[in-house]
Amino acid sequence: AQSVAQPEDQVNVAEGNPLTVKCTYSVSGNPYLFWYVQYPNRGLQFLLKYITGDNLVKGSYGFEAEFNKSQTSFHLKKPSALVSDSALYFCAVRGTSGSARQLTFGSGTQLTVLP
Amino acid sequence: KAGVTQTPRYLIKTRGQQVTLSCSPISGHRSVSWYQQTPGQGLQFLFEYFSETQRNKGNFPGRFSGRQFSNSRSEMNVSTLELGDSALYLCASSLEASGGTNEQFFGPGTRLTVL
Repeated sequence: AQSVAQPEDQVNVAEGNPLTVKCTYSVSGNPYLFWYVQYPNRGLQFLLKYITGDNLVKGSYGFEAEFNKSQTSFHLKKPSALVSDSALYFCAVRGTSGSARQLTFGSGTQLTVLP
Repeated sequence: KAGVTQTPRYLIKTRGQQVTLSCSPISGHRSVSWYQQTPGQGLQFLFEYFSETQRNKGNFPGRFSGRQFSNSRSEMNVSTLELGDSALYLCASSLEASGGTNEQFFGPGTRLTVL
């Protein structure tokens, strides 16, 4: 069965500093990887995805993520954090066959950007 | 283009009752997935419908059911409610069925409280 691990429940970073939210995955075959963000009392908003090709993926609001196949990781990054980036971030993986085609989410990482 | 809409946004029920939640996907989207979000279990996949057919089902008891109509609108039903069913229920739509490369777009969710 596929799985996603977000090893940090909470990440704190000062405004203006770079941020990283970690994600590792396990899936059979080639993965489709996604990052979503959730603000309080809201649904999830899509940030970016990796399907194939360039390992560095750029997404919304200045976020990017780096796919590393050997380390089975897909860490979310941003060069300069904003207070408004404070939210709950979810990494998700989708396989390409059978029940693995459904989206499996990590447990989420609460990002707090301190002014 | 209007986003995914879910009704109602908030619902309070008592144990033993049943509830029906509604989801209208983005126009043109034929896939609708449902998720349960709780602080303890995170985001868990309930089921996915595509062109009125259930494509995938998560590991939930038979009290949880769903359906999709010809206009792609979907409903999920929970019968014989239990306290543990209190959660945020999220609906997501996408252009194609699970396993594809398209991201899912989430609605704001229905907050169900079971007393």
